[in-house]
Amino acid sequence: QKEVEQNSGPLSVPEGAIASLNCTYSDRGSQSFFWYRQYSGKSPELIMFIYSNGDKEDGRFTAQLNKASQYVSLLIRDSQPSDSATYLCAVNSGSGDMRFGAGTRLTVKP
Amino acid sequence: NAGVTQTPKFRILKIGQSMTLQCTQDMNHNYMYWYRQDPGMGLKLIYYSVGAGITDKGEVPNGYNVSRSTTEDFPLRLELAAPSQTSVYFCASSLLADYQETQYFGPGTRLLVL
Repeated sequence: QKEVEQNSGPLSVPEGAIASLNCTYSDRGSQSFFWYRQYSGKSPELIMFIYSNGDKEDGRFTAQLNKASQYVSLLIRDSQPSDSATYLCAVNSGSGDMRFGAGTRLTVKP
Repeated sequence: NAGVTQTPKFRILKIGQSMTLQCTQDMNHNYMYWYRQDPGMGLKLIYYSVGAGITDKGEVPNGYNVSRSTTEDFPLRLELAAPSQTSVYFCASSLLADYQETQYFGPGTRLLVL
């Protein structure tokens, strides 16, 4: 069974702080890892993906991947109230089979 | 360029009724997907297609059927609707299915089965 686990939260951080979101997965054959943001009542939108061990930075977002530990994380620096949303971790084992975690709800308080 | 479009936006079904959820993409993507999202949960893959004429089961295919006669369209058919199928359904598409694929999502169809 291909499982993707996330802390459901809610995670609350003050404005300007760093938000840290975590995700673990069970399938060692997984090849790529995605973070989506989903506002209430809206469809998911891609923030970033990562497929190599280490860090990948895009603006205020940094994805971290450790395949040995089967762990991927997302850091959001200088958090803004507009970052308040549910963050979905997704894992692709190839050939179109994408598995999503249940999501972590983040609230950034002004 | 409309991206991924879904119809209807909302539908109420009675138990035992059938319906088809429509999905169309205009990005000439090879891959298309159907997900369902229950309240407070992540997305579960129902079916996906790697191209016209080819479909595969995902994580939760029971109670659903799909077809892919063209590159653009990927309808999802619900036969004999049950309350357990109350959910939000998202269609998505991507150009490739390799490790760098990015999926683009439609706005979703909210289905209520009573």
